[in-house]
Amino acid sequence: SAVISQKPSRDICQRGTSLTIQCQVDSQVTMMFWYRQQPGQSLTLIATANQGSEATYESGFVIDKFPISRPNLTFSTLTVSNMSPEDSSIYLCSVAGQEKTQYFGPGTRLLVL
Amino acid sequence: QKEVEQNSGPLSVPEGAIASLNCTYSDRGSQSFFWYRQYSGKSPELIMFIYSNGDKEDGRFTAQLNKASQYVSLLIRDSQPSDSATYLCAVNRGGDKLIFGTGTRLQVFP
Repeated sequence: SAVISQKPSRDICQRGTSLTIQCQVDSQVTMMFWYRQQPGQSLTLIATANQGSEATYESGFVIDKFPISRPNLTFSTLTVSNMSPEDSSIYLCSVAGQEKTQYFGPGTRLLVL
Repeated sequence: QKEVEQNSGPLSVPEGAIASLNCTYSDRGSQSFFWYRQYSGKSPELIMFIYSNGDKEDGRFTAQLNKASQYVSLLIRDSQPSDSATYLCAVNRGGDKLIFGTGTRLQVFP
């Protein structure tokens, strides 16, 4: 499976600010995904990031709040905009493997004060 | 009704026993099924996937799928304390997305 890295691994931010999370893969992948995992909860898909096209957002998530870039087949960014304490969560990127599998990066732990 | 349901646990088993983790799903059109292990503070790690009815074995792990009854299970033989983690069931309904359950916390005690 691909080696996936995320930056930053964790951050503490003030409300009203924005944070951009980077996801880097060591091989070219078609599909990348961004998830949120709130404390004690399961994974919620934010959006699917396709290279060369706009991200596809899930219900409840909008581009103004979570803009995503996918400039090439090995990299994507997720920005959490105008943050509030409710955005405190773990943000995970994943990449699609064969047979619908997904492999996850190590995650970014975000605390908004 | 949630799309993917799991008992949150904790499921406590003694070392060496078989741990049985269950998952039910609501969409009969679901096509493939995945088990992830997530240690506390870590990201999910794919253990197994299955898409045909029956059993699929990989080392100490066996995934079982029954599409008629809409459940998928994961058996862990010879459970070890290092197996203590949250196990997430995920379902693909077609397309590229996975729908995750809330996970079952497994505790293996010595």
